[in-house]
Amino acid sequence: EADIYQTPRYLVIGTGKKITLECSQTMGHDKMYWYQQDPGMELHLIHYSYGVNSTEKGDLSSESTVSRIRTEHFPLTLESARPSHTSQYLCASSGRLAGNEQYFGPGTRLTVT
Amino acid sequence: AQTVTQSQPEMSVQEAETVTLSCTYDTSESDYYLFWYKQPPSRQMILVIRQEAYKQQNATENRFSVNFQKAAKSFSLKISDSQLGDAAMYFCAYRSALTGNQFYFGTGTSLTVIP
Repeated sequence: EADIYQTPRYLVIGTGKKITLECSQTMGHDKMYWYQQDPGMELHLIHYSYGVNSTEKGDLSSESTVSRIRTEHFPLTLESARPSHTSQYLCASSGRLAGNEQYFGPGTRLTVT
Repeated sequence: AQTVTQSQPEMSVQEAETVTLSCTYDTSESDYYLFWYKQPPSRQMILVIRQEAYKQQNATENRFSVNFQKAAKSFSLKISDSQLGDAAMYFCAYRSALTGNQFYFGTGTSLTVIP
């Protein structure tokens, strides 16, 4: 198992609430990623980071925001949750070399009612 | 941006048999890495196998091997002696050796192993 952690694992929350999904890794990886994935479906990149204080939006339009103040920590925030945000959110990290693989966290399954 | 295509949304295989999952990609680069990831139901995504584009030899990891055809931009995964634990979603991914920032994933193939 890789040393990348996500909390909470499951979250049910009402519409309009602000939520933060946590992601931490202990491998010292520069690059971190957030993906959205519906069950059994493809991954959609929503945010990534090359390093501290560096964040970029991915291919999928998202109403979420991220921050990277520390190398090991890459939280994702939804200011106002909506039912359309119901999905699984996967965090991943990788080393700086192109041959380095991505390590994935266990995911957070979010349900917005 | 590079594109990765997995044309088989679902595949099935009898236990102990061999199955091949297809992946093609589109790139103008000559140096890159290709990966196969496995995502078991409700479990973490893990790396199955990795191929470096500048290596002609196909990568192998125990029962898993690839058929890498650089000119055809094809990267298929062969699973030999299939086991029940091989049932999962399999994703093919591309990473540029030049930029190396993003991974480009295919849409996945759901593999069922029949006892």
